[in-house]
Amino acid sequence: DIQMTQSPASLSVSVGETVTITCRASENIYSNLAWYQQKQGKSPQLLVYAATNLADGVPSRFSGSGSGTQYSLKINSLQSEDFGSYYCQHFWGTPYTFGGGTKLEIK
Amino acid sequence: EVQLQQSGPELVKPGASVKISCKTSGYTFTEYTMHWVKQSHGKSLEWIGGINPNNGGTSYNQKFKGKATLTVDKSSSTAYMELRSLTSEDSAVYYCASMDTTATDAMDYWGQGTSVTVSS
Repeated sequence: DIQMTQSPASLSVSVGETVTITCRASENIYSNLAWYQQKQGKSPQLLVYAATNLADGVPSRFSGSGSGTQYSLKINSLQSEDFGSYYCQHFWGTPYTFGGGTKLEIK
Repeated sequence: EVQLQQSGPELVKPGASVKISCKTSGYTFTEYTMHWVKQSHGKSLEWIGGINPNNGGTSYNQKFKGKATLTVDKSSSTAYMELRSLTSEDSAVYYCASMDTTATDAMDYWGQGTSVTVSS
């Protein structure tokens, strides 16, 4: 199985700051990677697919990058509604494992 | 508007089984694969498995083989997941999520989650 290592596990930031979350796969996943946002008590929502493509309705302050085994989600000028948890997930063969998650909190 | 509406919370006894439903609307049911994801309290997400509603073909995470069974009812555009031989380790929120394999190849739409509590 492909393992997804996500970092950091938690992050305390202020509104307006820029944050980067990374995800490392245990083998090449050829950009078959998605990012999700989950708010407390809610279901996850798709942010980015195929490593770099924003899902419909996702603000342009979000961006995804990476290739091979290393991927990142960047959030520019953090807004209050961006706080919550973020997860990566690969789609290069089953099982489609998720990263351990990053909890983004307000400083 | 695509909607995935899951059945309500379940309180079940150890050793019992439970069947969760996920009723879809707003898209052609057979055009997206359906997946199920487990989230234990305060923890990350685990992919349980997926099913192709068009032909009933399934793929399971080895960890959940024998634990979960995925089925669909095309006539009602509803997906089901049955969990058997439940233990406290199965207490979690379970999500259904649809994947458009021709476009995003990711889990585009999610149900609201079904809480399963295993307790005597």
